Amino acid sequence: EVQLLESGGGLVHPGGSLRLSCAASGFTFSSYAMTWVRQAPGKGLEWVSIITSSAATTHYADSVKGRFTISRDNSKNTLYLQMNSLRAEDTAVYYCAKGGPVILSYFDYWGQGILVTVSS
Amino acid sequence: DIQMTQSPSSLSASVGDRVTITCQASQDISNYLNWYQQKPGKAPNLLIYDASNLETGVPSRFSGSGSGTDFTFTISSLQPEDIATYFCQQHDNLPLTFGGGTKVEIK
Repeated sequence: EVQLLESGGGLVHPGGSLRLSCAASGFTFSSYAMTWVRQAPGKGLEWVSIITSSAATTHYADSVKGRFTISRDNSKNTLYLQMNSLRAEDTAVYYCAKGGPVILSYFDYWGQGILVTVSS
Repeated sequence: DIQMTQSPSSLSASVGDRVTITCQASQDISNYLNWYQQKPGKAPNLLIYDASNLETGVPSRFSGSGSGTDFTFTISSLQPEDIATYFCQQHDNLPLTFGGGTKVEIK
């Protein structure tokens, strides 16, 4: 059974940093691209970042470029999102999701989501 | 960026009704269009991928069609458990983009 479990969320002050983790199991983690998608309270879904299976390539939404860094450790089956210079508008539930063998694909499994609140 | 325009933003229908949601892309995305269901407080769940392919385990009352810029998602017979918000998403190009969502309620 595929499982994705996010951790590391919480309350942080504007300008602060946070690192999210997503522990994966039930599939060959190193064979699939992985992504982060967020959802602000009461809003729709916003794609944040994606990383290829080998971690060779990463892409970001313009709204987080230069502030967020996606990474993965295939030996630990874990995906990360380092979030720096956080802003109030980054407040959202963050989901990790499993992609396909290539970056441009659908997301067939999602974690339960983790809340990040940026507030003073 | 490819803009995804989803309509309606909400709808109310009776159990057993046929429900249709549309999604229009701002440029040709071939069939690279997916549909997700999100129930309150839960993560999105993939229902349809590549415009018309039913994900494994998804009931056959859900279907999708379309190509190019215009896509349709249909629930053939609305059930109480289908109360949710539905999102389309394109994976033709980066940045990946989602439609604004359609909230489906029971009348």
